[in-house]
Amino acid sequence: GNSVTQMEGPVTLSEEAFLTINCTYTATGYPSLFWYVQYPGEGLQLLLKATKADDKGSNKGFEATYRKETTSFHLEKGSVQVSDSAVYFCALSESTSGTYKYIFGTGTRLKVLA
Amino acid sequence: NAGVTQTPKFQVLKTGQSMTLQCAQDMNHNSMYWYRQDPGMGLRLIYYSASEGTTDKGEVPNGYNVSRLNKREFSLRLESAAPSQTSVYFCASSEMPISGNTIYFGEGSWLTVV
Repeated sequence: GNSVTQMEGPVTLSEEAFLTINCTYTATGYPSLFWYVQYPGEGLQLLLKATKADDKGSNKGFEATYRKETTSFHLEKGSVQVSDSAVYFCALSESTSGTYKYIFGTGTRLKVLA
Repeated sequence: NAGVTQTPKFQVLKTGQSMTLQCAQDMNHNSMYWYRQDPGMGLRLIYYSASEGTTDKGEVPNGYNVSRLNKREFSLRLESAAPSQTSVYFCASSEMPISGNTIYFGEGSWLTVV
């Protein structure tokens, strides 16, 4: 079946460092791809998404490009802040018998130090 | 804007007890979901309801039952709680099954079974 694999954490960076969190997926069709963020004690919130190949999703300085040739959707940010400390989930949506379901990666914890 | 609301936020159960997690959404979404989140496992789908009147099993349905009470509400029941069901439970909802639709999460319910 379809799946999402993301790099294990925790990732620890100093403030203003460059961030990359890798995400690759397996899918038989053309899924939509998402990054969600979870702050401590809260639910998941959509960070960005891309619905077709070569699309770039962006929000709050974060970017990710839907790469069909490498089946990847890596999350990047040029300069992280302490407030970016959270758990980041890569996800895809797939169609099964006309119903769209969402498959999530295991999450990558990011710690940003001042 | 309430979005997805789930109750209770925290619960401690003894092995063998039963309980129901309640979930309601005010976004007029057709599809609703229950996930559990465990360390190192990411989010795993327990049950989902593609539309009012339908429910289907997800990845880890054993030990759970669900009811789609109406379009707004989707409850998750543990009939005889086991320590393996200690987890954080998230309810979520999304619009009709169209690729790229965002899934919205509640804030989570922390359940401990002793």
